[in-house]
Amino acid sequence: QVHLVQSGAEVKKPGASVKVSCKTSGYTFTNYGISWVRQAPGQGLEWMAWISAYNGNTKYAQEFQGRVTLTTDISTTTAYMELRSLRSDDTALYYCARDVPASGGKNFFDFWGQGTLVTVSS
Amino acid sequence: DVVMTQSPLSLPVTLGQAASISCRSSQSLVYSDGNTYLHWFLQRPGQSPRRLIYKVSNRDSGVPDRFSGSGSGTDFTLKISRVEAEDLGVYYCVEGTHFGQGTKLEIK
Repeated sequence: QVHLVQSGAEVKKPGASVKVSCKTSGYTFTNYGISWVRQAPGQGLEWMAWISAYNGNTKYAQEFQGRVTLTTDISTTTAYMELRSLRSDDTALYYCARDVPASGGKNFFDFWGQGTLVTVSS
Repeated sequence: DVVMTQSPLSLPVTLGQAASISCRSSQSLVYSDGNTYLHWFLQRPGQSPRRLIYKVSNRDSGVPDRFSGSGSGTDFTLKISRVEAEDLGVYYCVEGTHFGQGTKLEIK
């Protein structure tokens, strides 16, 4: 079965960076992409960014451009999301989801990780 | 940019009764390949979102047939024929990277 397992909760100070991992299994990693979606406390879902596990192409939501970097490690079938210059309003659950393999395709988010809580507090 | 608008935002239901959620987009969702990539997700309390319906009307594996999706162009509907306790949570319609606000299905 397809599984996406994310790293554990993080507590960071404002201005710091956080790197969340998403370990995948059960499918051919390079045949898909990974999107990252976040959910602030009590709020809805917000797409942040996407990376192709095939060629490393990325797309970022304008709101996160310049502050987020996505990477993948094909050898461990793991995707990573780094968010820099953290603010208190970055406190949220961060999800990875399996997604479209190439840019230009339509996102489908068919399998999700369990979420990683990132808390930003001084 | 596409805006997805769901209604209602809160839907109190009686178990065993039918429920219907509407999703409207600010522009037609018919893609250049002729398909419409409108999906529905359920997020149960304390859980990750789970996709229920893809491309308007296709149920994902393991999704009960009491769930059905329909619609075209800019207007879409998710229907639950007989609500069960496990159906409670927040439902999202999604197209591309655009999420609706969510509809909370709760017990009346």
